[in-house]
Amino acid sequence: DGGITQSPKYLFRKEGQNVTLSCEQNLNHDAMYWYRQDPGQGLRLIYYSQIVNDFQKGDIAEGYSVSREKKESFPLTVTSAQKNPTAFYLCATATGGYPGAEAFFGQGTRLTVV
Amino acid sequence: QKEVEQNSGPLSVPEGAIASLNCTYSDRGSQSFFWYRQYSGKSPELIMFIYSNGDKEDGRFTAQLNKASQYVSLLIRDSQPSDSATYLCAPKELGTYKYIFGTGTRLKVLA
Repeated sequence: DGGITQSPKYLFRKEGQNVTLSCEQNLNHDAMYWYRQDPGQGLRLIYYSQIVNDFQKGDIAEGYSVSREKKESFPLTVTSAQKNPTAFYLCATATGGYPGAEAFFGQGTRLTVV
Repeated sequence: QKEVEQNSGPLSVPEGAIASLNCTYSDRGSQSFFWYRQYSGKSPELIMFIYSNGDKEDGRFTAQLNKASQYVSLLIRDSQPSDSATYLCAPKELGTYKYIFGTGTRLKVLA
């Protein structure tokens, strides 16, 4: 069953805790992305990776960290430095940088600070 | 900061009408433009993309691009209640891997 798997679907975090969101893909896509979506808002880019062992900051990288040790995996850690982490987090993949390369999305992780 | 602007709506249209969704972008380096549909609480799914000036049709959907005006639109013909969703516009820069999303337009198709 091909696709992008994000886990968990729902995640609750206490104040001051770090949490890691998982994103795994078996589409053999080179590029992977993390977006954050707040209620009634569009998607804001946190980090993206074009290739293994390389990644770039997006527009709202502060308080987040990522790694890309394997092509299939791009975990996102939400650190305690992220002051307002409650949001819907979406992982995406794309085949490359050519014009028609669409982004495919996972089902998302909804993170709530309690 | 590169900006993508969409009217947040809601845009209400009667069933069977044409829905017109608009998007303007600030980055002249944007080369291709993607339209995604997102149902409430779900992840976005691709409707279509366009990268040449003019119109591109796919079933009930037509994307229109005018690079000189930095404007892209999506027309939905014969709108159905199942088309009720938020529509996200996402330009992509030439030669990059970055998709920049607008805030989306919420469409309501009234039965």
